[in-house]
Amino acid sequence: GAGVSQSPSNKVTEKGKDVELRCDPISGHTALYWYRQSLGQGLEFLIYFQGNSAPDKSGLPSDRFSAERTGESVSTLTIQRTQQEDSAVYLCASSLAGGGAYNEQFFGPGTRLTVL
Amino acid sequence: DAKTTQPNSMESNEEEPVHLPCNHSTISGTDYIHWYRQLPSQGPEYVIHGLTSNVNNRMASLAIAEDRKSSTLILHRATLRDAAVYYCILRAVRLSMNRDDKIIFGKGTRLHILP
Repeated sequence: GAGVSQSPSNKVTEKGKDVELRCDPISGHTALYWYRQSLGQGLEFLIYFQGNSAPDKSGLPSDRFSAERTGESVSTLTIQRTQQEDSAVYLCASSLAGGGAYNEQFFGPGTRLTVL
Repeated sequence: DAKTTQPNSMESNEEEPVHLPCNHSTISGTDYIHWYRQLPSQGPEYVIHGLTSNVNNRMASLAIAEDRKSSTLILHRATLRDAAVYYCILRAVRLSMNRDDKIIFGKGTRLHILP
């Protein structure tokens, strides 16, 4: 079946503009995660959705970052008033519900964001 | 999730076994050991996970120390396509099966395969 998909694959924007990044998780996966990866760095957790529970937003770096999820499907990560330090690859992952120790995360290909 | 420690980088010759170490001295009794890898320009992919016993799958083997404070990912015969960053992660079993915890990825080990 289809894996996790993300769009766009690449986004170039000007400093100060808003951007929206989209993630389509695997059907039936109720857990959805956003990470970002700056050049040469490891993955940085941003936000996590699980079913109808309140999202874990503890990784969002500033109030310019927000994310929404429609039910148990599509998620959108929004960055307002982008800054050059927001340039990174933004990765989305999904997994089956609960029992996190047992379930693997499936990652999308990422969106490469470049802020000029 | 508990912290893990891995070497920054390793090298191995093609077609030879590779042993990637991970230390997790503060592991708790309910933490599972997961390994992911990230090929160049791709998102991470799951490799293997285990709790206490050694595990084998088509990609790799996982050897877990008896005290569980360390583990080793074993690639039995490395190919050039195995060149990637390998992440060792601990994931806790939660009493609530309705909610997972976020995964904390460290910097991982960058594996270079020499032809």
